[in-house]
Amino acid sequence: KQEVTQIPAALSVPEGENLVLNCSFTDSAIYNLQWFRQDPGKGLTSLLLIQSSQREQTSGRLNASLDKSSGRSTLYIAASQPGDSATYLCAVRHVMTTDSWGKLQFGAGTQVVVTP
Amino acid sequence: EAGVTQSPTHLIKTRGQQATLRCSPISGHTSVYWYQQALGLGLQFLLWYDEGEERNRGNFPPRFSGRQFPNYSSELNVNALELEDSALYLCASSFVTAKPLPYTFGSGTRLTVV
Repeated sequence: KQEVTQIPAALSVPEGENLVLNCSFTDSAIYNLQWFRQDPGKGLTSLLLIQSSQREQTSGRLNASLDKSSGRSTLYIAASQPGDSATYLCAVRHVMTTDSWGKLQFGAGTQVVVTP
Repeated sequence: EAGVTQSPTHLIKTRGQQATLRCSPISGHTSVYWYQQALGLGLQFLLWYDEGEERNRGNFPPRFSGRQFPNYSSELNVNALELEDSALYLCASSFVTAKPLPYTFGSGTRLTVV
């Protein structure tokens, strides 16, 4: 059974510092991995999606890497800003099986606070 | 392009009643997924509909049900509401292909059972 873990659970950094968020998964038979941002009480905003064949994806200040063999993904946010304060979630999508197809398996998230 | 829209934004129901939540996917997306996010718990997969059919469901009792309409919009019904059904219900859509597009989520429906 796939387990997705995010460490740390919470993180507080001063503005301008780089953020490093970790996501690990136990079953490497994934189809892709997606990083989301969630503001309090709100829905999810997709940040980056990495296909299983890719090593990394970049969008602006965000960079996500994927090491499928070791079951790890890292989200880097450069030069953090107070507006980056949110909960960041990673989710894996499995290769197609009767039970797993269609599901995203989420980690519990990392709550980030960027102080001015 | 309009995103995934969910209605209502908030819903307050009494224990034992039924709740109906609605979701409109992004134009062109044929799959709709429902997730529950209860306080203190992670996101739990509820249901997946594609082309009008239920394709998969999570570990939830049968009183959680839904359907997908010909225009690909979807409804989630929760019967015999219990206090622990209070949660944020999120809907997502995607297009099921060999290289799936990212899941796109709506803003959610906050269901409160009193």
